[in-house]
Amino acid sequence: AQSVTQLDSQVPVFEEAPVELRCNYSSSVSVYLFWYVQYPNQGLQLLLKYLSGSTLVESINGFEAEFNKSQTSFHLRKPSVHISDTAEYFCAVSNNFNKFYFGSGTKLNVKP
Amino acid sequence: ETGVTQSPTHLIKTRGQQVTLRCSSQSGHNTVSWYQQALGQGPQFIFQYYREEENGRGNFPPRFSGLQFPNYSSELNVNALELDDSALYLCASSFLGQGSTDTQYFGPGTRLTVL
Repeated sequence: AQSVTQLDSQVPVFEEAPVELRCNYSSSVSVYLFWYVQYPNQGLQLLLKYLSGSTLVESINGFEAEFNKSQTSFHLRKPSVHISDTAEYFCAVSNNFNKFYFGSGTKLNVKP
Repeated sequence: ETGVTQSPTHLIKTRGQQVTLRCSSQSGHNTVSWYQQALGQGPQFIFQYYREEENGRGNFPPRFSGLQFPNYSSELNVNALELDDSALYLCASSFLGQGSTDTQYFGPGTRLTVL
């Protein structure tokens, strides 16, 4: 069975500061990894994903995540956050695209 | 907007009743997945339908069932409702094909309250 752990339920940070949202997974087989974002009063949207190849993946709005197989982690980072990044972020894992397991989410609160 | 719609947006039922939730997939997608998101939790995978057949199932009892229609719209049916079934129900559509990757597009959800 697979599972996803997001240790931080809330992360407060000041605007323009760096941020890291942590995600660890457990799986006995190869996995595909995803980060989804849910802005206030909106649905879930895919932020970025790791399927294969380079272990560092980037989104169009400056987020990046690195797949670390030895540490079974897929942490999400941004060097400088904006107020508009305030949202809830979910990490998810799948090994064959027919079952997906989500973490409990991390609420990022960017303060001015 | 993702092009995935769900109906109704809100629903109130009582224990023991049955409920049907509906999802209309994004054009061109052949796969739909259903999730239950309780308050303060991440989405929990219920099941996935691919070309009208169940293609994967999470840890939910048989009273949770589904259908996918030829036009790739879908239903989630829950029988014998329990208080713990109160949650936001999300559907996500995607295209699953040989050699293709799978990005899920989520609908806005149906908020179910069981009294």
